[in-house]
Amino acid sequence: EAGVVQSPRYKIIEKKQPVAFWCNPISGHNTLYWYLQNLGQGPELLIRYENEEAVDDSQLPKDRFSAERLKGVDSTLKIQPAELGDSAVYLCASSFLEPGSEQYFGPGTRLTVT
Amino acid sequence: AQSVTQPDIHITVSEGASLELRCNYSYGATPYLFWYVQSPGQGLQLLLKYFSGDTLVQGIKGFEAEFKRSQSSFNLRKPSVHWSDAAEYFCAVVAVGGFKTIFGAGTRLFVKA
Repeated sequence: EAGVVQSPRYKIIEKKQPVAFWCNPISGHNTLYWYLQNLGQGPELLIRYENEEAVDDSQLPKDRFSAERLKGVDSTLKIQPAELGDSAVYLCASSFLEPGSEQYFGPGTRLTVT
Repeated sequence: AQSVTQPDIHITVSEGASLELRCNYSYGATPYLFWYVQSPGQGLQLLLKYFSGDTLVQGIKGFEAEFKRSQSSFNLRKPSVHWSDAAEYFCAVVAVGGFKTIFGAGTRLFVKA
């Protein structure tokens, strides 16, 4: 069974440029999460989807970040424009729609903004 | 406020020695408790979880954790560490019936020969 797939694995951009990350969750997982992980820190939730509905986006900086999960399968997270402080690892995870369900994580996208 | 504290930023143990990683949480009620491991350049992998019942839970790779309600702790243990256990370990909590996961800052484990 394929795990959570993320692309690209690495991205280097200049500040003020746009960037997008893609995630394909495990087949059958209704719930999809995007996390931000700063160096030396644990993941912090940006947004959670149940199927195609964003049910928790309270931590998503909506002035520059956007996300979508069309058809309730794969998802895209976008930053426009990127700032130096956005340099981090962006993790995608998926799980079944069940409280406390195990989350399966992708390898992440390491973003460097110069 | 809900929080998870991992007091040790990093720990170094010798291969074959025992390991204990500490985790304390602050929550209104006992939440679901998890330990995840992250190897360099990889995503997180679940080691074990506690929902209710027996306070000593077994996980993958020979890890176990003990829930102590009186201390609001959920410490991770392994009797004999292998070099391949070198990684970052995260304690995490989820409110019962909820989905939002709060992660600790992590403890990096170094294993010396």
